[in-house]
Amino acid sequence: DAGVTQSPTHLIKTRGQQVTLRCSPKSGHDTVSWYQQALGQGPQFIFQYYEEEERQRGNFPDRFSGHQFPNYSSELNVNALLLGDSALYLCASSPPNTGELFFGEGSRLTVL
Amino acid sequence: SQQGEEDPQALSIQEGENATMNCSYKTSINNLQWYRQNSGRGLVHLILIRSNEREKHSGRLRVTLDTSKKSSSLLITASRAADTASYFCATEEGTGRRALTFGSGTRLQVQP
Repeated sequence: DAGVTQSPTHLIKTRGQQVTLRCSPKSGHDTVSWYQQALGQGPQFIFQYYEEEERQRGNFPDRFSGHQFPNYSSELNVNALLLGDSALYLCASSPPNTGELFFGEGSRLTVL
Repeated sequence: SQQGEEDPQALSIQEGENATMNCSYKTSINNLQWYRQNSGRGLVHLILIRSNEREKHSGRLRVTLDTSKKSSSLLITASRAADTASYFCATEEGTGRRALTFGSGTRLQVQP
């Protein structure tokens, strides 16, 4: 049983560009959340998707958007990249009715 | 924003010793969770304690929760070099909201 998988693992972009990160949740999990983790900090909640809709959102600008597909996989899109968007982006999935999150290994984004 | 604050920020101990990490938070919570992260990798769920619980054990882990003081502690007994990692507390606020708010973490170094 595969865990949460994310792609790509590393990527480098320049300021102003756009990026799409992808996540496949663990089998049987219906909720996907995205977190941003800056170096030396704890993860910060970006948003959460359930039943293909954004259910909750953290304190992130509209440049951050997402999508969940019928197979529960998800994408995170960031437009107009800034240097400060450089971080590890973590996807986490959770099964129905539990609070425990299962994290992927993350996508490390560097913005130059 | 970070809800939880871990203390200490860094901890170095010898193999076989016990490690204690503390977490404080600000708002009412549904549950508190502890996660472990090896350098630059995804987070791994360790233990979840609900707001109506005071203590929970899992293997070498012992977690306590004091909702009156809005604090929690994680004790790792008989530490091993493989326990070297960053440890984060995370709180889930309210009921049905599964977004987690993470602290800034404790970096634990276990010397062999």
